Amino acid sequence: DTAVSQTPKYLVTQMGNDKSIKCEQNLGHDTMYWYKQDSKKFLKIMFSYNNKELIINETVPNRFSPKSPDKAHLNLHINSLELGDSAVYFCASSRSGGLNEQFFGPGTRLTVL
Amino acid sequence: GESVGLHLPTLSVQEGDNSIINCAYSNSASDYFIWYKQESGKGPQFIIDIRSNMDKRQGQRVTVLLNKTVKHLSLQIAATQPGDSAVYFCAETEAAGNKLTFGGGTRVLVKP
Repeated sequence: DTAVSQTPKYLVTQMGNDKSIKCEQNLGHDTMYWYKQDSKKFLKIMFSYNNKELIINETVPNRFSPKSPDKAHLNLHINSLELGDSAVYFCASSRSGGLNEQFFGPGTRLTVL
Repeated sequence: GESVGLHLPTLSVQEGDNSIINCAYSNSASDYFIWYKQESGKGPQFIIDIRSNMDKRQGQRVTVLLNKTVKHLSLQIAATQPGDSAVYFCAETEAAGNKLTFGGGTRVLVKP
């Protein structure tokens, strides 16, 4: 009965590869997010989708492409991985329309070698 | 750009004592503030929130204080327990959207 789930939890890959991280929420929320947390624990928003539409795109390189097949899923695809992409990526979701709490997934630790 | 508390300081506290975690924010248009707790290997977890029309809000063992004049937010944890050991983040957003801006976090270490 996990509210926001992500797969995989750990991802180790070589530079130049393409990889995807999946996120699903069963809270019935309309809005989903991707955040990146660096080695200093700094959390920064990357993308936000509302009802499958992109509403926030925080100047993330276009190697990162979020895809929302439906309201309950927001996947993150990363092309041509670079060393600097190594981080923990968190998915989150919230209700839309106002000031609403965001619920976070457990994170995916991506290591690019 | 706007920023919210960009450091990761560490607060060591004795079990049973009260903890106070501080956060400075710079976006005067922020309407909504949240404290999150992140335990090792997990995602951030909501603790308590406060809207800009309030200056204090209490939860179970936690109190958030908001001082809009000096753009300062604090989280007080009463009778700190070992399970409170974590990194705590403040976050803020404007009413116009759901974009949360996070502070740099404070690590709390509870000594038995």
